[in-house]
Amino acid sequence: DAGVIQSPRHEVTEMGQEVTLRCKPISGHDYLFWYRQTMMRGLELLIYFNNNVPIDDSGMPEDRFSAKMPNASFSTLKIQPSEPRDSAVYFCASKVAGSQETQYFGPGTRLLVL
Amino acid sequence: AQSVTQLGSHVSVSEGALVLLRCNYSSSVPPYLFWYVQYPNQGLQLLLKYTSAATLVKGINGFEAEFKKSETSFHLTKPSAHMSDAAEYFCAVTSTGTASKLTFGTGTRLQVTL
Repeated sequence: DAGVIQSPRHEVTEMGQEVTLRCKPISGHDYLFWYRQTMMRGLELLIYFNNNVPIDDSGMPEDRFSAKMPNASFSTLKIQPSEPRDSAVYFCASKVAGSQETQYFGPGTRLLVL
Repeated sequence: AQSVTQLGSHVSVSEGALVLLRCNYSSSVPPYLFWYVQYPNQGLQLLLKYTSAATLVKGINGFEAEFKKSETSFHLTKPSAHMSDAAEYFCAVTSTGTASKLTFGTGTRLQVTL
């Protein structure tokens, strides 16, 4: 299995621009999670989906952030407009149903907003 | 809500020495506990998990952890450190029942010296 795939791996953009991060979960996994990692705040859960439906978006920092999962094999996290404080590493993870089941992480997208 | 506390943001050991990374959990229901490792510029990888089957859990790369309910702890150990163990380690908790999301600790960076 190819694992969780994220693109791009690195993104540099200017403040005010729209940024779209992409994730392909492991085939057969029905949960998908978006995390953000920063030095200041550590690893934060932004949102997660079950069977393509958003279940908990309480971690989404503000309205500039939005996430979609149009089908079982694809999800996006969009930031519009981007700000320098959004600079972070964004991870996508997926798992099968069951609270004890392992979440498998992608390699992350390193975002720098200038 | 469940949470985990990792004592020590940085731990340094000599190659061949015992590795001990501390994690204490706070959960009102029986938890599932995880240790993940993050190598530089990579995503998180599962080391081991506790799911109530056995209190001593063995993971990959020679690591193990013991669940101690009386101490609300789940410390990670390895008898002999190797240079390749240098990484950041995260403890995480989720609860039984319907909760599917992990709550991560702040991480402990392990340095291994010659």
